[in-house]
Amino acid sequence: GAVVSQHPSRVICKSGTSVKIECRSLDFQATTMFWYRQFPKQSLMLMATSNEGSKATYEQGVEKDKFLINHASLTLSTLTVTSAHPEDSSFYICSASRDRGHEKLFFGSGTQLSVL
Amino acid sequence: AQTVTQSQPEMSVQEAETVTLSCTYDTSESDYYLFWYKQPPSRQMILVIRQEAYKQQNATENRFSVNFQKAAKSFSLKISDSQLGDAAMYFCAYSFQGGATNKLIFGTGTLLAVQP
Repeated sequence: GAVVSQHPSRVICKSGTSVKIECRSLDFQATTMFWYRQFPKQSLMLMATSNEGSKATYEQGVEKDKFLINHASLTLSTLTVTSAHPEDSSFYICSASRDRGHEKLFFGSGTQLSVL
Repeated sequence: AQTVTQSQPEMSVQEAETVTLSCTYDTSESDYYLFWYKQPPSRQMILVIRQEAYKQQNATENRFSVNFQKAAKSFSLKISDSQLGDAAMYFCAYSFQGGATNKLIFGTGTLLAVQP
């Protein structure tokens, strides 16, 4: 099956620094990638949708200047948490799809971000 | 706006027994997909089963089956012959077929414990 690699799996950073999370589709071209955020024992909340070569579409309430998303190629999307604060600590998950079809989405293994 | 509701925060089942997880959703669309995802302690999202709204036949995948009631907007998951490895958080999810992207809207999740 298709594989989505997400890196790093865990990151600890100081408040005020920026952190970049990568999401790669290893064996297929991902026209669309999604970024989710999950707080402990809660559901996945969609943050944004990124399409290769275009600006990401952010969900209501998500700060686009805080969470920068870049989808520069068909196999790579990055999420940068800028000027991170403790309240940004969370589990971030990406998912990717080959096209707009609904066969299924392929999920990365997630990144646990802890901001001190 | 589409919403997905899981009214059972936690469920418990004895090994080898059957358990049913509930999910209801709200949408004004007629063409959509419904999913059940499993999230074990590793936090990797695993697709359990998928249902196309236009199909009347309930989807099945080995020990997993759904009861899809389109008019009632209900989509329950039945796990037969429960195994210890089935213990996980289960999320019901919705995806609109005709949207610009195939983004998933998740329910709040049901934590399933399997007792030996």
